[in-house]
Amino acid sequence: KNQVEQSPQSLIILEGKNCTLQCNYTVSPFSNLRWYKQDTGRGPVSLTIMTFSENTKSNGRYTATLDADTKQSSLHITASQLSDSASYICVVSVTYNTDKLIFGTGTRLQVFP
Amino acid sequence: DAGVTQSPTHLIKTRGQQVTLRCSPKSGHDTVSWYQQALGQGPQFIFQYYEEEERQRGNFPDRFSGHQFPNYSSELNVNALLLGDSALYLCASSLRVWGSYNSPLHFGNGTRLTVT
Repeated sequence: KNQVEQSPQSLIILEGKNCTLQCNYTVSPFSNLRWYKQDTGRGPVSLTIMTFSENTKSNGRYTATLDADTKQSSLHITASQLSDSASYICVVSVTYNTDKLIFGTGTRLQVFP
Repeated sequence: DAGVTQSPTHLIKTRGQQVTLRCSPKSGHDTVSWYQQALGQGPQFIFQYYEEEERQRGNFPDRFSGHQFPNYSSELNVNALLLGDSALYLCASSLRVWGSYNSPLHFGNGTRLTVT
């Protein structure tokens, strides 16, 4: 069964600190892996997209890594800001269809001053 | 350049009623996908429209139907509403580029449907 699991479910950090979110998947065949940020009551916004040949991709203070062998990905947030408070969703694309995606349930990040 | 717009933003319906949600894709996009997101969960794929036809469908009953218009906008219809249909309904648009599998999805901010 195609599944995407994320950990932790929730995380609280202080402003300025770094954090790392984890994503494990059992999707096959794999096309690409995406990280989205979703603010409360808003739609998800794309942070990164990685294919199986890419190990790392950055978007400002966000850096995603991918290990296609172990089927694991991580999202590292550097020097967190209050605006980073959101849910972070890992999404894996099945086969070669770009829009049929398997979503994780997300990690809820809260950044406090 | 307008992004994905959805209407209405909020909706309250009674069990057994029917509802229509609307979506206008990002300018230049031709493909629309609909997702249902229950509270605290990730989005679940409902279906996708391209060239005015349903191209893919997730594990949702026939009560969920849709339509895409020549201008690429789309509607999601849900009949015989159940309490369990209460959720955030997200529309996402993309550009179908054959041979490229990495086109990003652009999401709207969703319609919050409450069924009482």
